Amino acid sequence: GENVEQHPSTLSVQEGDSAVIKCTYSDSASNYFPWYKQELGKRPQLIIDIRSNVGEKKDQRIAVTLNKTAKHFSLHITETQPEDSAVYFCAATNNNDMRFGAGTRLTVKP
Amino acid sequence: EAQVTQNPRYLITVTGKKLTVTCSQNMNHEYMSWYRQDPGLGLRQIYYSMNVEVTDKGDVPEGYKVSRKEKRNFPLILESPSPNQTSLYFCASSQMGERKGGETQYFGPGTRLLVL
Repeated sequence: GENVEQHPSTLSVQEGDSAVIKCTYSDSASNYFPWYKQELGKRPQLIIDIRSNVGEKKDQRIAVTLNKTAKHFSLHITETQPEDSAVYFCAATNNNDMRFGAGTRLTVKP
Repeated sequence: EAQVTQNPRYLITVTGKKLTVTCSQNMNHEYMSWYRQDPGLGLRQIYYSMNVEVTDKGDVPEGYKVSRKEKRNFPLILESPSPNQTSLYFCASSQMGERKGGETQYFGPGTRLLVL
C-alpha cells in the first residue's frame, strides 16, 4: 500500500520568509496529492491540491510542486504571516484509500 | 450549508462499553471515510466506503466496525472500546467521479474520545 513520509516535523520561520514542506510517496499509481492545514482544535482543511498530470500549481502565496519520477511533492508558502502557523499535512491517494504524512508544525514568528 | 457533521463531539467512556460515533454529510458524496489522529502519527484511515453497502478496511481497522446503509450516513462502531482507542476521530466525505478516491475530502469537526 501507499506510504507517505513528510519532513520536517517542525518548522519555525520569521514572518515574511518562505516555508517549504516536503513529502515522498511510495505508490507510483497515486494520482492525487492534497495539502491540508489544521489549526489548533479545528478540522483539517484543504489549502491546495495537485493531480499527477500537472507539475506545479499556485494559488496566491501557496504553491505545490510534484515530481512523479522521484515520487515527491512539496508545499511552498511565500511571505509567511503569523496566521499561517498551523499543522500541515500532505496526502496521497491511489484511488481508494488516502494516506497522510505525519504532519509539519509550522510556526511563523512575528 | 454543505457540511459533514459528527456526534458526539466529546465522549468519555469505560473499557468494554459499546459506543457509536455518527457521521452524516449533506453533499450527496459517494465516498466516506473515518480517520483517527494521534500525536506524531498524522491521520490514519480506519475504514472507508465508496458507496452504499460497500466498505473497506483502511490502515488501522482493528477494533472498529462501520456500516453504510444510507448514502449520507457512515457510523463508526466500537464494540468493545479499549484505552488504546483514545484518540481524535474525523469523518470525511468526497465525490467519487472518474477518479474514485482521488477527490478533495471534506472533514467533519472531529470527535474526541477518551476510553478509561
